Amino acid sequence: GAVVSQHPSRVICKSGTSVKIECRSLDFQATTMFWYRQFPKKSLMLMATSNEGSKATYEQGVEKDKFLINHASLTLSTLTVTSAHPEDSSFYICSARRPTLNTEAFFGQGTRLTVV
Amino acid sequence: SQQGEEDPQALSIQEGENATMNCSYKTSINNLQWYRQNSGRGLVHLILIRSNEREKHSGRLRVTLDTSKKSSSLLITASRAADTASYFCATGAMDSSYKLIFGSGTRLLVRP
Repeated sequence: GAVVSQHPSRVICKSGTSVKIECRSLDFQATTMFWYRQFPKKSLMLMATSNEGSKATYEQGVEKDKFLINHASLTLSTLTVTSAHPEDSSFYICSARRPTLNTEAFFGQGTRLTVV
Repeated sequence: SQQGEEDPQALSIQEGENATMNCSYKTSINNLQWYRQNSGRGLVHLILIRSNEREKHSGRLRVTLDTSKKSSSLLITASRAADTASYFCATGAMDSSYKLIFGSGTRLLVRP
């Protein structure tokens, strides 16, 4: 079964509204989770590292106020796209890894966000 | 941020043939991993090779790693139509962040 569950799989929202995406680690306690963004036929771009109980670490060029990340528990991280615009339309994927070197990452199913 | 490039960007082969994908990266790494993604879906882990390893096998997959050249290759032998997907390499950073940085990916089409 899935180790990481991401919800929703698809969402359509109007410009100016906010959308929350949830990522749950089902199999282990994830002190760290990761959020990626993927454009069509492109690679995954790391947006931020979600740290349980502390602030997220954002990659260069990612707007913190646009993409709010909350990691309130050891099994749940959320990404909120605030005041969404059509250019925020994309495929967002979360992942979790056990906090050990040389381990694989487990990915959620991804969320297809369309802003109209 | 993106770690490096993969080539080819796209590969089309006949079922039964072998497929080879290459990955180059830029920084020092702890490990390099290969993932597969079916269209519009999440990623599935295929294989992990540590920085002190040179070659690893898993079923029909063979991965090599050359840290002096900062490159890796993924070989899929006796390909099947079901192998059609995008394949990405990802590098694990040397620091304690545990984050993975992905290459640009190769889109593989296996024709029946």
